Amino acid sequence: KAGVTQTPRYLIKTRGQQVTLSCSPISGHRSVSWYQQTPGQGLQFLFEYFSETQRNKGNFPGRFSGRQFSNSRSEMNVSTLELGDSALYLCASSLDGRPDGELFFGEGSRLTVL
Amino acid sequence: AQSVTQLGSHVSVSEGALVLLRCNYSSSVPPYLFWYVQYPNQGLQLLLKYTSAATLVKGINGFEAEFKKSETSFHLTKPSAHMSDAAEYFCAVSDRKTSYDKVIFGPGTSLSVIP
Repeated sequence: KAGVTQTPRYLIKTRGQQVTLSCSPISGHRSVSWYQQTPGQGLQFLFEYFSETQRNKGNFPGRFSGRQFSNSRSEMNVSTLELGDSALYLCASSLDGRPDGELFFGEGSRLTVL
Repeated sequence: AQSVTQLGSHVSVSEGALVLLRCNYSSSVPPYLFWYVQYPNQGLQLLLKYTSAATLVKGINGFEAEFKKSETSFHLTKPSAHMSDAAEYFCAVSDRKTSYDKVIFGPGTSLSVIP
């Protein structure tokens, strides 16, 4: 069974640009969560999608957005990039999005903003 | 709001020694509790989780954790450290009162194993 796949793995952008990151969950998983990981802040929850609906959102500005498609694949977008957006963005999927369920993580997309 | 603290951002142990990584949570109702491990340049992997069954939970790779409600703790232990255990360890919680998935992670503890 294929794991969670994130693309691209590495990317470099400049301030003011926008970026779109993609996440393909494990087949059959309906919930996708996104996290931002930085050395100073650790893992910060961005948002969670289940059956194409955003059910929860973390404390991030509106520049951070996401969506989920009918096949459960998810994308997140960051507009007007700032230097502080440099981070590892992790996607995690779970079977049914229950709070006691296991999260399966991808290897992440490492974004560098210059 | 729920929160998780992990005492010690860096822990070093000798190979073969006991591993103890500390985790405390703050919540009015005991949450679901998890330990995840992250190896360099990889995503996180679940080690073990506590839902509501036995308070002593056994996980993969010889790790176990004990839920202590009176101490609001969920410390992770392994009797004998191996070089391959060197990684970042995250304690995490989620609210059992909700129906959706929002896992809050602690700041992490980096474990070094000295030969």
